[in-house]
Amino acid sequence: QKEVEQDPGPLSVPEGAIVSLNCTYSNSAFQYFMWYRQYSRKGPELLMYTYSSGNKEDGRFTAQVDKSSKYISLFIRDSQPSDSATYLCAMNSGNTGKLIFGQGTTLQVKP
Amino acid sequence: NAGVTQTPKFRILKIGQSMTLQCTQDMNHNYMYWYRQDPGMGLKLIYYSVGAGITDKGEVPNGYNVSRSTTEDFPLRLELAAPSQTSVYFCASSSTSGYGYTFGSGTRLTVV
Repeated sequence: QKEVEQDPGPLSVPEGAIVSLNCTYSNSAFQYFMWYRQYSRKGPELLMYTYSSGNKEDGRFTAQVDKSSKYISLFIRDSQPSDSATYLCAMNSGNTGKLIFGQGTTLQVKP
Repeated sequence: NAGVTQTPKFRILKIGQSMTLQCTQDMNHNYMYWYRQDPGMGLKLIYYSVGAGITDKGEVPNGYNVSRSTTEDFPLRLELAAPSQTSVYFCASSSTSGYGYTFGSGTRLTVV
């Protein structure tokens, strides 16, 4: 079993839709949870991070962590064509700095 | 700020050749990492370093070597290149062990 599981998609939605992206994980030691956005042929860029459980909101983006279920989510409201990218979840225990990534979900927002 | 700089951006190697992928950061970060990204496979950690002179293996270290003689530089060495090493390589750095990673723009390597 992989430490972090993420549905690779692809996911295609119309502009303005609410997008839900999810990851599950198996390592209960994970404390830091991140979402990265990666445009084609570019490096990943940090979108959101959350420490431990709870919600965090930043503009149209909301990150949720449920440690009891080992489940994290990223919601994108009022999605835009510029949101079309691959979204990678990532997490670590905070002890060594080793970041474990999910496979990434490819999102396309159609105008 | 330049952030994390990787060179070269593209490279084609023949089987059995060697090369060094360069990575430099100007943020005075202690932690540095090398990842490879294969299509549809996410990023896998090759090697990482928690400071100058200290390196350790990640998930997929075979066929690679690293060194960390300064805080700024973290080169990745490929010895005896194989087709399985065809991938996109990303270097990253962070100031903490928990979050805040900054990635370079990647090196796209093809071994033929």
